[in-house]
Amino acid sequence: VIWMTQSPSLLSASTGDRVTISCRMSQGISSYLAWYQQKPGKAPELLIYAASTLQSGVPSRFSGSGSGTDFTLTISCLQSEDFATYYCQQYYSFPPKFGQGTKVEIK
Amino acid sequence: EVQLVQSGAEVKKPGESLKISCKGSGYSFTSYWIGWVRQMPGKGLEWMGIIYPGDSDTRYSPSFQGQVTISADKSISTAYLQWSSLKASDTAMYYCARLSYCSGGSCYLHYMDVWGKGTTVTVSS
Repeated sequence: VIWMTQSPSLLSASTGDRVTISCRMSQGISSYLAWYQQKPGKAPELLIYAASTLQSGVPSRFSGSGSGTDFTLTISCLQSEDFATYYCQQYYSFPPKFGQGTKVEIK
Repeated sequence: EVQLVQSGAEVKKPGESLKISCKGSGYSFTSYWIGWVRQMPGKGLEWMGIIYPGDSDTRYSPSFQGQVTISADKSISTAYLQWSSLKASDTAMYYCARLSYCSGGSCYLHYMDVWGKGTTVTVSS
């Protein structure tokens, strides 16, 4: 079983800020990591897969990095529509699991 | 347009059975795995299980094995999640999602690229 630690659980930020969210694994998963965004009352949406590949249509201010055990989601210049909850997901081993989530709120 | 359309909200009593659905359109339904994800009120996402409608190969997370049944009817491009005896703790939002296409082995291990809007299930006496 792979344990996942996503941090922080809550992040207060202002529009225009650069924010980073971390996802750490208990064992290496190569680059089998995805990031999702979920807005209140909405379904999750895929942002990034293979740790760093931007899903079609996702703004370029979003980026992902890392491999092995440590991964990061970065939003380079936070926009009002980016206030949401973000989840990482490993799909290296069964069952695929989601991180605990990071809520990005307005400071 | 690729879409997953889920059935409407359900309100049930403990002990009742339930089957919710997820209809795919705009793509080859039999060529992609479909998964189910639970989100309990105010909580995070939990991966429940997946099915490959092409041959009905089904995989469950150990946490949900024996608690739910996932099935699919490829003739109508629809996947299902069902319970035989609901509990109050089944109260949650349930999302279906398509696993992104991959070729080769282990395609059941993949990320989810298209999501349904969710089905709210409320179980209360």
